[in-house]
Amino acid sequence: SQQGEEDPQALSIQEGENATMNCSYKTSINNLQWYRQNSGRGLVHLILIRSNEREKHSGRLRVTLDTSKKSSSLLITASRAADTASYFCATDEYYGGSQGNLIFGKGTKLSVKP
Amino acid sequence: SAVISQKPSRDICQRGTSLTIQCQVDSQVTMMFWYRQQPGQSLTLIATANQGSEATYESGFVIDKFPISRPNLTFSTLTVSNMSPEDSSIYLCSVEVGQLEYQPQHFGDGTRLSIL
Repeated sequence: SQQGEEDPQALSIQEGENATMNCSYKTSINNLQWYRQNSGRGLVHLILIRSNEREKHSGRLRVTLDTSKKSSSLLITASRAADTASYFCATDEYYGGSQGNLIFGKGTKLSVKP
Repeated sequence: SAVISQKPSRDICQRGTSLTIQCQVDSQVTMMFWYRQQPGQSLTLIATANQGSEATYESGFVIDKFPISRPNLTFSTLTVSNMSPEDSSIYLCSVEVGQLEYQPQHFGDGTRLSIL
């Protein structure tokens, strides 16, 4: 069943601008992960944030997690044309502490125009 | 990290036929996953394949339609049986690599399947 719901569904920005994507989920989680999918390719893992973490950085990526609101955001700063891709959040549902299966959201399609 | 190779990368098949998709990993992994991604949609887990045991299927997916083999720690196959146009999707395999309590999944590039 679908867990994460991203918004917006599609986002178009100019190079150099920041892109923010949001993800909401429904159940308790162990962690939340963000993935990127370029057209015609598999998914590439970007960042994992644990349920007891609130913010995490990796290069130009910043992820926040608010477990009280069951939501997360992915910020890409100083975007580049190469960031054009679909971005998915995936939640690892809580099963008494053990790692569960990932449940993916519907994704945000990001287009960065040069 | 892991390098995952999927074959074929794409195929066009006739209704009623079956196709076997291969997934090869460059390191030994315990758990392998098979997903379906319908056009313009997100990923849906079909089954989890552990070496030496039967695959565990998610709700809505059955072994007769999607038989899976996992003969060793680096290889798995997914067969899409008696295909219909509704099976037109991208099929992806993924693995978990690492010793951390929670670890990301690494994906192959997928098999793009079209059924006529």
